[in-house]
Amino acid sequence: QKEVEQDPGPLSVPEGAIVSLNCTYSNSAFQYFMWYRQYSRKGPELLMYTYSSGNKEDGRFTAQVDKSSKYISLFIRDSQPSDSATYLCAASSGGYQKVTFGTGTKLQVIP
Amino acid sequence: SAVISQKPSRDICQRGTSLTIQCQVDSQVTMMFWYRQQPGQSLTLIATANQGSEATYESGFVIDKFPISRPNLTFSTLTVSNMSPEDSSIYLCSVLGQGPGEKLFFGSGTQLSVL
Repeated sequence: QKEVEQDPGPLSVPEGAIVSLNCTYSNSAFQYFMWYRQYSRKGPELLMYTYSSGNKEDGRFTAQVDKSSKYISLFIRDSQPSDSATYLCAASSGGYQKVTFGTGTKLQVIP
Repeated sequence: SAVISQKPSRDICQRGTSLTIQCQVDSQVTMMFWYRQQPGQSLTLIATANQGSEATYESGFVIDKFPISRPNLTFSTLTVSNMSPEDSSIYLCSVLGQGPGEKLFFGSGTQLSVL
């Protein structure tokens, strides 16, 4: 079993839709949870960063972590064509331990 | 966040040859990381490069195949040696951001194709 599981998609939505991206993880030691956005032919860029359980909002993006169910979510409101990218979830236990990534979900927002 | 310059951005190489990828950071960092990203697979850590010491390799990766240099706190190279088509992948350089937790920042990557 992979430590971080992510549906690879692809996911195609119309512009303006609410997008929900999800991951599950198996390692109870994970405390830090990240979402990265990766455009084609670019490196991943850190989009959201959360410590432990709870929600974090940044503009149109909301990251949610439920440690009881080991579930990580990213919500994108009012999705735009510029949001079309691959989204990677990631987790780590801290203390400079290795970051474990999901395989990424490819999102396409259609104008 | 750090600005990370990586080159080459892409290359097409012949089987059996070697390619060296360079990574330059705009600030001094203790730890630099090299990742591999293969289609449909998650980012895989190859090794951690600390300045002044030998790189630490993850399971499945060996120094003879992926030698790493870290001559100073802003620069590192990864060499992919004796390449085969299975080495075709995106290779990414990464550094840690400030503060607690593992906030990684990535270069733009090197798209390697081996014929």
